[in-house]
Amino acid sequence: NAGVMQNPRHLVRRRGQEARLRCSPMKGHSHVYWYRQLPEEGLKFMVYLQKENIIDESGMPKERFSAEFPKEGPSILRIQQVVRGDSAAYFCASSPLEREVRYSDTQYFGPGTRLTVL
Amino acid sequence: AQKVTQAQTEISVVEKEDVTLDCVYETRDTTYYLFWYKQPPSGELVFLIRRNSFDEQNEISGRYSWNFQKSTSSFNFTITASQVVDSAVYFCALSEANFGNEKLTFGTGTRLTIIP
Repeated sequence: NAGVMQNPRHLVRRRGQEARLRCSPMKGHSHVYWYRQLPEEGLKFMVYLQKENIIDESGMPKERFSAEFPKEGPSILRIQQVVRGDSAAYFCASSPLEREVRYSDTQYFGPGTRLTVL
Repeated sequence: AQKVTQAQTEISVVEKEDVTLDCVYETRDTTYYLFWYKQPPSGELVFLIRRNSFDEQNEISGRYSWNFQKSTSSFNFTITASQVVDSAVYFCALSEANFGNEKLTFGTGTRLTIIP
């Protein structure tokens, strides 16, 4: 049973380029969360998606960042016109769909994508 | 707003010593979940434990144990007889059980170094 997959593991971009980070959730999971970890800091929530829906994007920067989770295929976090401050580790986590009662599913994290902006 | 505080930025102990990592949280919700994650030098996040707010029983898993005290809003993590492989950054996290959205609020982490 494969875990959460993220690719690429390392991504280098020059200022002004676009970065696309991919996340494939665990099998049977339909909820995806993206977090960002700046150097020497904890993880900060960015966005929560279900298939074809953005549920909570309260942690996303207002400009240049977007996320999607299409019906087919992985979730994509897209950063346009990257700047040096975007250099960070980006983690994706997934949890299953079924919720019969009000409870919290454990989120299992992918290995992360380390983005370096030159 | 919810908040997680890990006051210990870095801890170093000699191998085989016991060590406790502190975690204090703030939330207005009566139902919430607390987590610990380990981030070894390789960088991935490893899930260690989840505890809901209604269960204050302490938990032990091998050399790991967790002490949850609602009265002090703390969820501390103890490693007994530490080993070099325990060297990592440890994050405490909180999730308010809002149906359909369990985003995590993380502390800033405690870097634990076990000295051989």
